[in-house]
Amino acid sequence: DAKTTQPNSMESNEEEPVHLPCNHSTISGTDYIHWYRQLPSQGPEYVIHGLTSNVNNRMASLAIAEDRKSSTLILHRATLRDAAVYYCILSYSGAGSYQLTFGKGTKLSVIP
Amino acid sequence: EAGVTQFPSHSVIEKGQTVTLRCDPISGHDNLYWYRRVMGKEIKFLLHFVKESKQDESGMPNNRFLAERTGGTYSTLKVQPAELEDSGVYFCASSQKTSGETYEQYFGPGTRLTVT
Repeated sequence: DAKTTQPNSMESNEEEPVHLPCNHSTISGTDYIHWYRQLPSQGPEYVIHGLTSNVNNRMASLAIAEDRKSSTLILHRATLRDAAVYYCILSYSGAGSYQLTFGKGTKLSVIP
Repeated sequence: EAGVTQFPSHSVIEKGQTVTLRCDPISGHDNLYWYRRVMGKEIKFLLHFVKESKQDESGMPNNRFLAERTGGTYSTLKVQPAELEDSGVYFCASSQKTSGETYEQYFGPGTRLTVT
């Protein structure tokens, strides 16, 4: 499985932008980059995904390096509700399965 | 639209007993997944259904775990007999039929299983 590396924790002030980095130097050409987050006492929640180009949706933006060996999840204005563990995941499609391989993720704390 | 639901939210059983967890995916989602997080560890994949068929069960830890998906709708995960190390949170997720490229998995709130 392709691996990702994320900082264990980060802090942000409320209403400021947050940049969550992820390294994935062994990514293959067909791997998608996914971000999920898990709020306390809830199941993981999809945030965004991309392949090569930068992506935007209502929740966040995903900036992907040109060599695809790293990416950054951008929350444009952090709110207290964004405090969660954020997971950067590379897709795995062995034998037609699309299992998600979760790492430890980055625990984001938002300071009021 | 209703999300993925799981029942029960919490189950406490004794070692050696049997427990059955249930997952109702989002209506129309062909793909259903089971994951779990045991104490202090990362969330791990257990298995993947496409409709009623098991597409990938490479994550199932041993033969004490049995997953079924009757008629391609809801799914059950039975643990028999339960062991202490089975304690953790069991998540179910579903996704639409994939194009083979991209997908989003929608997770339920999880069932917290405690084996004493």
